[in-house]
Amino acid sequence: EPEVTQTPSHQVTQMGQEVILRCVPISNHLYFYWYRQILGQKVEFLVSFYNNEISEKSEIFDDQFSVERPDGSNFTLKIRSTKLEDSAMYFCASSLRWRETQYFGPGTRLLVL
Amino acid sequence: GQNIDQPTEMTATEGAIVQINCTYQTSGFNGLFWYQQHAGEAPTFLSYNVLDGLEEKGRFSSFLSRSKGYSYLLLKELQMKDSASYLCAVTPGANNLFFGTGTRLTVIP
Repeated sequence: EPEVTQTPSHQVTQMGQEVILRCVPISNHLYFYWYRQILGQKVEFLVSFYNNEISEKSEIFDDQFSVERPDGSNFTLKIRSTKLEDSAMYFCASSLRWRETQYFGPGTRLLVL
Repeated sequence: GQNIDQPTEMTATEGAIVQINCTYQTSGFNGLFWYQQHAGEAPTFLSYNVLDGLEEKGRFSSFLSRSKGYSYLLLKELQMKDSASYLCAVTPGANNLFFGTGTRLTVIP
């Protein structure tokens, strides 16, 4: 069964450093998403992406964040200058069509020191 | 604003039936999803409701009443592996999911 994959599974970084989180969505899916979950809290929407552009973003997704689909398979989330409060599990998700079920990857646990 | 309410924790016995309730107040509504999340893992899709009524899928069923802003997830024949958090999520706007804080279910022998 096709699944969303993410790398790395864990990342530790120093405050102020840039990080790039990588995702490979399910191959025939057209819509891509990033969510985050701070430890012990709820899953929060960051951004959705379709046809090589952002279709929707939350208040969390400020100028420090960017997304890109650099090739036909990868989808990345970049945090330019990490802060302590960026420590969270970051989930990538994809869906085949508009407003259809979103399938989540296993997540990248980011720890900012 | 958006708000989803779910009980924080529930406990049920192996083999029993449990109902997890979810009420929502959102600026829009384009569907309600239930996800299961084991600790430290990704949410996995369980069910989807966009029209009023009951959707059944094996041991899991989900019900929606849009006029009441209410849904429930029903788990039958509980198994130990069903111990997890159950997340209610609504699509209020274009395409994003707005999640509740989840209900942690513990299944005991």
